[in-house]
Formats: sequence, C-alpha cells, structure tokens
Amino acid sequence: DQQVKQNSPSLSVQEGRISILNCDYTNSMFDYFLWYKKYPAEGPTFLISISSIKDKNEDGRFTVFLNKSAKHLSLHIVPSQPGDSAVYFCAASDDKIIFGKGTRLHILP
Amino acid sequence: EAGVAQSPRYKIIEKRQSVAFWCNPISGHATLYWYQQILGQGPKLLIQFQNNGVVDDSQLPKDRFSAERLKGVDSTLKIQPAKLEDSAVYLCASSLLPAVRSTDTQYFGPGTRLTVL
Repeated sequence: DQQVKQNSPSLSVQEGRISILNCDYTNSMFDYFLWYKKYPAEGPTFLISISSIKDKNEDGRFTVFLNKSAKHLSLHIVPSQPGDSAVYFCAASDDKIIFGKGTRLHILP
Repeated sequence: EAGVAQSPRYKIIEKRQSVAFWCNPISGHATLYWYQQILGQGPKLLIQFQNNGVVDDSQLPKDRFSAERLKGVDSTLKIQPAKLEDSAVYLCASSLLPAVRSTDTQYFGPGTRLTVL
C-alpha cells in the first residue's frame, strides 16, 4: 500500500514556463515533507522541504505547497530551466522517510 | 567537503551468490541509511544507523540481508544468498542528525547498481 503517491510518471514543460509536480499521501501522521531531485547515475539530492505547520515554503525558483486537508502537496518550479530535467521524488516522514515513485520532468527547449 | 562514497558502482552476480557493498558517509555524520531502489520505484529504507547502533531495520529482509557500521563510520551491506528480485540500486545516505522532523538533510551517495542473473 503506497503511502506517498506521485501519479504522473512523467511531465513535459516548455523552458521558461511553470512546472507543477504533484504528490498525494495517505498517512495523516506525516508531519514533514520533502522533495528530492535525481539525475541519472547519481543519488537523489535534497531540494526543498516543508513542515506540516506551514502551507508554503519558497526557495528561489522552487515553492512547495501543502494542503493538509486534501493530503496533497505540490512543487512549483518557475521559470523552468533545461537543468531542471530530472526525476523528482516526493517524500514524507513521521518516524521514517517514505518516498514516492518519482516523476520524470522534461524541460523542452 | 567530500560527499558520500559508495563502492562498487556496479555489480553483476548470479542468484545464490553473495555480494557486499561499502559506504563511507560524510565526515561527522552520525546517521547512516541504506536504501533499496528498484527500477521504477522510489528509494525504500532498509536500515538506519545512529552512530554504530541500529535505529530501524524493520524493512530489512534479515534472512538474507545484513548490515553493520564499524566504529560508527563506514558501513557494509551484505546479501547472502542473492535472489533475482534483489536487482536494484542500493543507495547509502548520511545526515548529521536523524533527518526526520528536522531541517537536517540526507546526503545520498551515487549508489551501487546490482544485477542478479
């Protein structure tokens, strides 16, 4: 039973436009959420996080939104750049970190 | 600052053989994690160490997998005997503190890609 779901395996976005990656979770005990980015043949790298007491966290071009009532979070990247092409993992934690399956983002020139 | 080191990067073995992976975390990081990432899936935590003690190994298949962290620094993960379904990337990560409910970040190594034939 997947506790963290990323229902879009892939997403293509034009360079300069906004990329929106979505994530749903089922466990209401999760209180900390993270996004990781992964390039081929490399390990995931931490991107941005949000505590359950907040509904938004922003870091440069990256913003994470949390909707606790809907058990949904999203990552916004604006403007999208070619180097953003990667696999993005959503993760959530209570006493351990649970990862989603990932969404492959393609930034089109 | 050097990152998390893992070796080997690739390993091909036949089923029922044994294999071991090595991880050297970032200097000073007390928490070390081993993850299994099967193709098309997200990383799944196998075991978490705090210094040289095990914090969580609830998802480690203990009949065939073992891990140790000598002197609270380097760690090895062993599979004996390997099965076809063990084919995956094995990721090691480390953090200064347990990266749960904190702003402390997990830093991942490049992983070891294991193929079991």
